[in-house]
Amino acid sequence: AQTVTQSQPEMSVQEAETVTLSCTYDTSESDYYLFWYKQPPSRQMILVIRQEAYKQQNATENRFSVNFQKAAKSFSLKISDSQLGDAAMYFCAYTTRGTSYGKLTFGQGTILTVHP
Amino acid sequence: ETGVTQTPRHLVMGMTNKKSLKCEQHLGHNAMYWYKQSAKKPLELMFVYNFKEQTENNSVPSRFSPECPNSSHLFLHLHTLQPEDSALYLCASSQEGYGGNTEAFFGQGTRLTVV
Repeated sequence: AQTVTQSQPEMSVQEAETVTLSCTYDTSESDYYLFWYKQPPSRQMILVIRQEAYKQQNATENRFSVNFQKAAKSFSLKISDSQLGDAAMYFCAYTTRGTSYGKLTFGQGTILTVHP
Repeated sequence: ETGVTQTPRHLVMGMTNKKSLKCEQHLGHNAMYWYKQSAKKPLELMFVYNFKEQTENNSVPSRFSPECPNSSHLFLHLHTLQPEDSALYLCASSQEGYGGNTEAFFGQGTRLTVV
């Protein structure tokens, strides 16, 4: 069975600074997808960024980037130039390629606070 | 707005009540999911439907009964729940198949309180 672990229950960052959220996972599969989802107080889960395991290049989406270390099974999220709107719960998630893409294994989540 | 709508947003029910949660997606997706989000726990996948057929039930108690009449609608029928069933219930949808977008879209959830 796959597992996803987020070891930081809470993180905080000053506005305009950079913060990194950690995620590790365990799987015996070689082909899979990793995701970071954001859940603001509105409770809407929003996809922030995705990484395909067979791609060595780290994914980037504007101010969001990942550090994907496949051998170490590590998948961290870096948020640059943090904004107040980035405050939310962030979830790392995993799914095996070839299965239903909504069939996700989630980590416990990290609450991110952004200070003005 | 993600194209996945859940109603009601909040629900309080007694342990002897029967209620239903509704999810509707306007994205043309062919797969739908129910998740349970409890405090201090990771999201738990409950049910998976592909093309209206249930393909996964993660050992969910029978007091939770899903129904998927078509690819756009998903229900979760609730009866004789326990206080520990209080949680946020999230619905999601995705497009399966070759070339499908790998993103799952979520609704805003129903906050359920069992008293």
